[in-house]
Amino acid sequence: DAGVIQSPRHEVTEMGQEVTLRCKPISGHNSLFWYRQTMMRGLELLIYFNNNVPIDDSGMPEDRFSAKMPNASFSTLKIQPSEPRDSAVYFCASTQGDTQYFGPGTRLTVL
Amino acid sequence: GQQVMQIPQYQHVQEGEDFTTYCNSSTTLSNIQWYKQRPGGHPVFLIQLVKSGEVKKQKRLTFQFGEAKKNSSLHITATQTTDVGTYFCALPPGSARQLTFGSGTQLTVLP
Repeated sequence: DAGVIQSPRHEVTEMGQEVTLRCKPISGHNSLFWYRQTMMRGLELLIYFNNNVPIDDSGMPEDRFSAKMPNASFSTLKIQPSEPRDSAVYFCASTQGDTQYFGPGTRLTVL
Repeated sequence: GQQVMQIPQYQHVQEGEDFTTYCNSSTTLSNIQWYKQRPGGHPVFLIQLVKSGEVKKQKRLTFQFGEAKKNSSLHITATQTTDVGTYFCALPPGSARQLTFGSGTQLTVLP
């Protein structure tokens, strides 16, 4: 199994630009999570889906952030417009039982 | 929601010394998980503890779940440079798939 796949691995963009992060969960896992990690705030849950349905998006910082899961094998996290304070590592994770399997992350830098 | 405190935040040890990190919850837990994140990497599941007073070992790592199921510890015997990273506890609140991660303990092992 390839594990959770995220793309891109690194993204550098300018303030105001749209950023789209992508995630392919492990096949058969029916829950998917998006996290953001920074030195200051640690690992924060942004949103999670169960069977492709958003269950809790209370962690999404503001309206500039949106997430979709059109099918069981793909999810996106979009930031529009991006701001320098959005710079962080964004992780996607999928679950089997209670265990979460994290992707390698996308390191986002907004200049 | 559930609160979790993890201490210490940072720990520097000399190679060969022991290391312990503690996780404390404000409420009784159904179970607790531990994850390790290497520098530049992603969190990786280590273990889940379920039973009151449970002790599990993985080579030099010993995991304990408190009798009251409100606290847990991870102990590493004779640390090695490969143990470097951040260790997180994670609490599953109720039946939801959502995990609450502790702030993590960042371990540095000096050769």
